[in-house]
Amino acid sequence: DIVMTQSPDSLAVSLGERATINCKSSQSVLYSSNNKNYLAWYQQKPGQPPKVLIYWASTRESGVPDRFSGSGSGTDFTLTISSLQAEDVAVYYCHQYYNIPLTFGQGTRVEIK
Amino acid sequence: QVQLQESGPGLVKPSETLSLTCTVSGYSISSDYFWGWIRQPPGKGLEWIGGIYHSGSTYYNPSLKSRVTTSLDTSKNQFSLRLSSVTAADTAVYYCARAAAVTGQNNYWGQGTLVTVSS
Repeated sequence: DIVMTQSPDSLAVSLGERATINCKSSQSVLYSSNNKNYLAWYQQKPGQPPKVLIYWASTRESGVPDRFSGSGSGTDFTLTISSLQAEDVAVYYCHQYYNIPLTFGQGTRVEIK
Repeated sequence: QVQLQESGPGLVKPSETLSLTCTVSGYSISSDYFWGWIRQPPGKGLEWIGGIYHSGSTYYNPSLKSRVTTSLDTSKNQFSLRLSSVTAADTAVYYCARAAAVTGQNNYWGQGTLVTVSS
């Protein structure tokens, strides 16, 4: 199984400041034949299902604010919230869909400082 | 607007079979896509269970494969999950979701349903 490890487990950021979440996979999720990273980021608020923010490591889902961005390749990935808003308080998960079993990181809780 | 909604018993006894249904509206499940299941124990992270393509092909998490089956009911536009021989470790919120492929991100999710395994 591909193990996804996120860091930090939680972070507190002031409104308007940048939040950065890292995700490391135990093996590469870059598929060489199409040069795509099989990596997504989800946001989950209390009592709600996860919502996809980013897929293919850096493609923003339709309707997601452009303050959310994803980067990285191979085994190391980053989700950046450029200017944290109150509505961004949530748990964020990275997710590899490169091979079965699909796996998720343990989650990173983002709070307001 | 694609919508998914889980339904089924909220309480299952140990050793029995958990059965859930996901009703889809706004899209025909027989047309395309991978229809999957993900679960989340209370206060914990996400675990991929598996699912079924519109064609009927199934893919499962090897850790659960011996106990899981999924199926389609195209007449009702529903797909289902059965998990046998449940224990307390299977207590979780169960989500149904749609992905472009088994190796794809889940763009649409149900709201989730809590299933508790207890006698």
